[in-house]
Amino acid sequence: NAGVTQTPKFRVLKTGQSMTLLCAQDMNHEYMYWYRQDPGMGLRLIHYSVGEGTTAKGEVPDGYNVSRLKKQNFLLGLESAAPSQTSVYFCASSYSFGYTFGSGTRLTVV
Amino acid sequence: GQQLNQSPQSMFIQEGEDVSMNCTSSSIFNTWLWYKQDPGEGPVLLIALYKAGELTSNGRLTAQFGITRKDSFLNISASIPSDVGIYFCAGRNYGGSQGNLIFGKGTKLSVKP
Repeated sequence: NAGVTQTPKFRVLKTGQSMTLLCAQDMNHEYMYWYRQDPGMGLRLIHYSVGEGTTAKGEVPDGYNVSRLKKQNFLLGLESAAPSQTSVYFCASSYSFGYTFGSGTRLTVV
Repeated sequence: GQQLNQSPQSMFIQEGEDVSMNCTSSSIFNTWLWYKQDPGEGPVLLIALYKAGELTSNGRLTAQFGITRKDSFLNISASIPSDVGIYFCAGRNYGGSQGNLIFGKGTKLSVKP
């Protein structure tokens, strides 16, 4: 009963490097989301997807790209990492009202 | 955009005390949700509310959907150490093509043993 799985759990990047965060869900949910969590800022939506092959911008999309080639996977990419992208990233999926979250990826950009 | 004001931002309480926190919005929501985040984990859904005035309990937790549909309250009775964490409110408005959840900034709860 995996739910939402995020990989990796931790990562340190140098400024300018690129990376992809992977989110996988096994609940056949249509909707998937990427959030970032910063101290005192709560959860802010980066991008989301309402189904396979679709993506849309959230509240803070700049500096990130996403892809949803398969229904069960939602990838978040950083093309050129910046220190301002140091954060904890959460993926979530939903069928209707309630989101199921992954356990997060802690990213540090130095 | 829509914003939720969640208060208090943090609180320290004595074990056994009751806790109250609330969330207000300038917009009407059709759904209110309350999540808890344990350290190092993602948020987990505690209670979902769908109707104005609705009062729902989950063990020692009770949440209410405000009559105006612009607020919600969460109460925790007889707090214990495992109640420590961050509590988030979230609201949902089905206007538009996708009713994304809007999250409050969280209430950090710390319990003195």
